[in-house]
Amino acid sequence: NAGVMQNPRHLVRRRGQEARLRCSPMKGHSHVYWYRQLPEEGLKFMVYLQKENIIDESGMPKERFSAEFPKEGPSILRIQQVVRGDSAAYFCASTSDRVEQYFGPGTRLTVT
Amino acid sequence: ELKVEQNPLFLSMQEGKNYTIYCNYSTTSDRLYWYRQDPGKSLESLFVLLSNGAVKQEGRLMASLDTKARLSTLHITAAVHDLSATYFCAVDMASGSRLTFGEGTQLTVNP
Repeated sequence: NAGVMQNPRHLVRRRGQEARLRCSPMKGHSHVYWYRQLPEEGLKFMVYLQKENIIDESGMPKERFSAEFPKEGPSILRIQQVVRGDSAAYFCASTSDRVEQYFGPGTRLTVT
Repeated sequence: ELKVEQNPLFLSMQEGKNYTIYCNYSTTSDRLYWYRQDPGKSLESLFVLLSNGAVKQEGRLMASLDTKARLSTLHITAAVHDLSATYFCAVDMASGSRLTFGEGTQLTVNP
């Protein structure tokens, strides 16, 4: 059973470009969470999704950030018009039983 | 708002020694998780503690949870270099809710 998959693993964007991060949960998992880790800090919750529904987006910045988890395909975290402060590692986690979350390898976004 | 605090934030210890990392949280919860993160890597689940008094052990690591004190401990016994990593505790309020992480404890075990 493959683990949580994220791609790309590393992403470099210039200021003003869009970043699109993908997360494929573990097989059978229908709950996905996105977290952001700034350098030398802990992880901060961004958004919790189930298939076709956003359950909790209270950790998402109000502008430029959006997330979706369509019926088919991976969950996508989209950052429009990136700024240097968006540089971070973005992790997604999935769960089937809403107890233990399994984390993906992360996408390291660098904004130049 | 749930707050999770770990201490110490940095820990340098000698191989063979014992030490404890503490995790305090601000709101009633009986669900606490410990993760390990190596530099540039993802989070590896170590322990899931789901009730007051829960104690779990794996190798040289033992975790416990006291929900009344809102405190979890991660005890390291006879540390070895391979345990060098950053350790995070995390709490959630209910099944399916977000995890709130502590700041992490950066552990260095010196030969």
